[in-house]
Amino acid sequence: AQSVTQLGSHVSVSEGALVLLRCNYSSSVPPYLFWYVQYPNQGLQLLLKYTSAATLVKGINGFEAEFKKSETSFHLTKPSAHMSDAAEYFCAVSANAGGTSYGKLTFGQGTILTVHP
Amino acid sequence: DAGVTQSPTHLIKTRGQQVTLRCSPKSGHDTVSWYQQALGQGPQFIFQYYEEEERQRGNFPDRFSGHQFPNYSSELNVNALLLGDSALYLCASNPRNTGELFFGEGSRLTVL
Repeated sequence: AQSVTQLGSHVSVSEGALVLLRCNYSSSVPPYLFWYVQYPNQGLQLLLKYTSAATLVKGINGFEAEFKKSETSFHLTKPSAHMSDAAEYFCAVSANAGGTSYGKLTFGQGTILTVHP
Repeated sequence: DAGVTQSPTHLIKTRGQQVTLRCSPKSGHDTVSWYQQALGQGPQFIFQYYEEEERQRGNFPDRFSGHQFPNYSSELNVNALLLGDSALYLCASNPRNTGELFFGEGSRLTVL
């Protein structure tokens, strides 16, 4: 069984400030971990993914995340926020078990990021 | 290259009715998954199809059913609609042996 906890349903930062969105996971098997972004009235867009290679993962739009097995965390960061980063962000986990595990993601509740001028 | 396309984008139904939502996967993808996203919530896995069969299912009642066609497109059917079925229904596709899902923009269902 797998689960994801996103700490903080709302995060507010100033433009240019560090963005930190927190995600902790629980998985009984080695996980694949993902961050997705969702803009209003749109589907989900993949920001980055961890699939058991490098623990520091770089994604699109300047985002990155670090897989920390000892802390069961996969926090998302961006050094300098931009107004266009305002959106809802979802952390998700799937089992790294190949085959039928692909496609079945367990999502967190989401974190709404607000960026102030 | 078209991504995942879903139809209709919006629809309104009344309690007790039935609805069918459609999804065309991204080119080259043979696996389709469906998710329900209630307002203010993260998406929840409904089921996954490949080779025209349901392969995995989440915690959803039998009112939710699906189908996959030989061209890999898929339908989600919901019978006996309840108010609580109001949500954004997302379709995602992936090639069988990778974990990267591509999502469509969803079908927003409102049940009155």
